[in-house]
Amino acid sequence: DAGVIQSPRHEVTEMGQEVTLRCKPISGHNSLFWYRQTMMRGLELLIYFNNNVPIDDSGMPEDRFSAKMPNASFSTLKIQPSEPRDSAVYFCASRGDSGNTIYFGEGSWLTVV
Amino acid sequence: AQSVTQLDSHVSVSEGTPVLLRCNYSSSYSPSLFWYVQHPNKGLQLLLKYTSAATLVKGINGFEAEFKKSETSFHLTKPSAHMSDAAEYFCVVSEKNRDDKIIFGKGTRLHILP
Repeated sequence: DAGVIQSPRHEVTEMGQEVTLRCKPISGHNSLFWYRQTMMRGLELLIYFNNNVPIDDSGMPEDRFSAKMPNASFSTLKIQPSEPRDSAVYFCASRGDSGNTIYFGEGSWLTVV
Repeated sequence: AQSVTQLDSHVSVSEGTPVLLRCNYSSSYSPSLFWYVQHPNKGLQLLLKYTSAATLVKGINGFEAEFKKSETSFHLTKPSAHMSDAAEYFCVVSEKNRDDKIIFGKGTRLHILP
């Protein structure tokens, strides 16, 4: 099993640019999570999808952030326009219906300068 | 409502001595409990999980945790620390209910002294 696959692994972008992070969950998993991790705030849940439908987006910081899941095997997290305070590690994770275990991707390291 | 508290933000132990990372939870239902480990600049890796089977759970790298319902605890232990255990550890609680939320603790950074 390939696990949760995220891209890009590292991105450096200038303030104001659009950033798109991508995630492919584990095949057969029906829940997908986007988390953000910073030194100051730790690990924060941004949004959670179940069967491709956003269930809880209360963690999305502001309108500059948006997430989509057009099908069961792909999700994007978009930041437009990006700001330096968005610099963080963004993790995607997925979970199957038969258990509670969440499996994490390796993360996307974002630096906005 | 569910919550999870990791009582120590940092723990330092000498190599070869026991490790204890503490976690307390609150849950309205029968919870599933997990420990994840994150090494520097890496993703989160599942260490072990409790899902209402045996209360003593064995995980990878010699770690284990015991679910104690009466104490609402799920502490992580290892008999003998190794330098490679230096990492951040997260306790997680999950409920399969209407909200279906997964709650992470704030993490405990484990330092191993030579």
